[in-house]
Amino acid sequence: DTGVSQDPRHKITKRGQNVTFRCDPISEHNRLYWYRQTLGQGPEFLTYFQNEAQLEKSRLLSDRFSAERPKGSFSTLEIQRTEQGDSAMYLCASSVSGSLIQGTGAREQYFGPGTRLTVT
Amino acid sequence: DAKTTQPPSMDCAEGRAANLPCNHSTISGNEYVYWYRQIHSQGPQYIIHGLKNNETNEMASLIITEDRKSSTLILPHATLRDTAVYYCITGGNDMRFGAGTRLTVKP
Repeated sequence: DTGVSQDPRHKITKRGQNVTFRCDPISEHNRLYWYRQTLGQGPEFLTYFQNEAQLEKSRLLSDRFSAERPKGSFSTLEIQRTEQGDSAMYLCASSVSGSLIQGTGAREQYFGPGTRLTVT
Repeated sequence: DAKTTQPPSMDCAEGRAANLPCNHSTISGNEYVYWYRQIHSQGPQYIIHGLKNNETNEMASLIITEDRKSSTLILPHATLRDTAVYYCITGGNDMRFGAGTRLTVKP
């Protein structure tokens, strides 16, 4: 296991269709994050899991978006009834959880190559 | 919104040090400063992080001011492969990336 992997790398879909992306984190990492990135912008945080628990969701994560991490390993991000505005790169990252003694408990995140979604 | 401010672009000559500044005046006492970079069409790559003390690793050095309101990422001998967008981020689990600094290393 050399890093975070994402599948598919590219997805073209028609407006109104549902799509699902998969992320496989680094095997010993218990935290998994999803981000969205549009052209010319930095990644925008969507949500993160610690093990199988979804601990935080951004207001960007509308009710058409759902993420799961059923066994605390891989995760899926589903977008229902896609819209053209959903076209973006969807990035996954993983990390270990940090020590609360050190502060926020966050640790460095390792990103996958992303899934580029195009909604036509 | 991102909690950091970075210049939109910088140039650096190959072999010279690249010094990338970041302002994070609203950082709280227990928030780390993280630096990532993103080469075109790839996911962001972790570079370095720090809390109060200066840090150095095989990729870069991080200098954090005593008041922690700003920091500088130093690439000691920039190469053409260091051309990328560099992001400075503070905080915890919900990292908020800004637009970053586009560093261009020129021969």
